[in-house]
Amino acid sequence: GESVGLHLPTLSVQEGDNSIINCAYSNSASDYFIWYKQESGKGPQFIIDIRSNMDKRQGQRVTVLLNKTVKHLSLQIAATQPGDSAVYFCAENVGGADGLTFGKGTHLIIQP
Amino acid sequence: SAVISQKPSRDICQRGTSLTIQCQVDSQVTMMFWYRQQPGQSLTLIATANQGSEATYESGFVIDKFPISRPNLTFSTLTVSNMSPEDSSIYLCSVEMTGGGEQYFGPGTRLTVT
Repeated sequence: GESVGLHLPTLSVQEGDNSIINCAYSNSASDYFIWYKQESGKGPQFIIDIRSNMDKRQGQRVTVLLNKTVKHLSLQIAATQPGDSAVYFCAENVGGADGLTFGKGTHLIIQP
Repeated sequence: SAVISQKPSRDICQRGTSLTIQCQVDSQVTMMFWYRQQPGQSLTLIATANQGSEATYESGFVIDKFPISRPNLTFSTLTVSNMSPEDSSIYLCSVEMTGGGEQYFGPGTRLTVT
């Protein structure tokens, strides 16, 4: 079936730098996207979402960008902190379905 | 958001037995879902727990193996039946907030089958 995939399994950044995590999706019918953060031993934590009628959405230290032309989603984290170390998942909701399809995940490592 | 709890948080079970996982939400929600996360993997949707009717299962998951109940708008259970070591995973419930679309996850139940 259609899938949501991530470009890199591991991303290592210096503390204080900005991080960009990318995600590609293949189903043009997807109309809702969510980024989750999952720390070890915990359930996924909702970070930010975006609907297909938007290109950009900002939260606290995070920005999600959606490029529908190339079916690409990114999560930007500003001034990364040690607490940002986690696995980040993108997820999509295909039009007409309520459950989410998850990407493979990117492990973000913050170097001191 | 919502406060979601799951019981048990973890369990070690013998093959051939069954385990029922509970999910409790602190507010009424329209949609509840069950996911599986195998070790080191991403999340896979098992089924949508429908209040008052049978759950809707995704491809590869069947009711006999994963019976689900949803007696009201704040509670659901997932049973993993006739377990084998391949069922060792984290099982997570999620809820979709009424009118919001956002999905929030419980802490998960870590199941090990020996």
